[in-house]
Amino acid sequence: DVKVTQSSRYLVKRTGEKVFLECVQDMDHENMFWYRQDPGLGLRLIYFSYDVKMKEKGDIPEGYSVSREKKERFSLILESASTNQTSMYLCASSPQGSYNEQFFGPGTRLTVL
Amino acid sequence: SQKIEQNSEALNIQEGKTATLTCNYTNYSPAYLQWYRQDPGRGPVFLLLIRENEKEKRKERLKVTFDTTLKQSLFHITASQPADSATYLCVATYGNKLVFGAGTILRVKS
Repeated sequence: DVKVTQSSRYLVKRTGEKVFLECVQDMDHENMFWYRQDPGLGLRLIYFSYDVKMKEKGDIPEGYSVSREKKERFSLILESASTNQTSMYLCASSPQGSYNEQFFGPGTRLTVL
Repeated sequence: SQKIEQNSEALNIQEGKTATLTCNYTNYSPAYLQWYRQDPGRGPVFLLLIRENEKEKRKERLKVTFDTTLKQSLFHITASQPADSATYLCVATYGNKLVFGAGTILRVKS
């Protein structure tokens, strides 16, 4: 059963902490994405990666960075967490040549106090 | 910028009826429209994709339409079941950019 997994389902951090969210996919997909989802808003793209060590900014990259050292793993980093980064974070992947039909992980609900 | 609008009010229907969810887009027609299902506390799951030059697509009890004149996609679930209760997301593809709607909650009562 193919899947995308995320390191934590729930995470509570304090303002100013550095936060790492990890995502792993087992489908050998080239494309990986990080989104955040807030009530009443559609998913918003933070960063995506189309290959190892390659990354592109999405719509809301401020306050975030990413790392993709291996094809199957894509990490989202909050350099200094702030309360407005409290959200649901979703990782997704898709095969090369298409950003459609993405496979999503279960999400990480991050609370920053 | 492009926007996707979905009904923010939940749709409540009786088991066995057809559920119809609406998705409207602004300005330019997307190359694709996709529909995803999302259960509480879970990530979205892809259901169907329809291309701009297609009028209708079906998969089992699901049907999606794409009307470029009305700038609208309709998503139908026939013979709905309580297990179909979820949030349904409409997603438009513009080049390499996806624009997500906020989703419509569907509740199917037995």
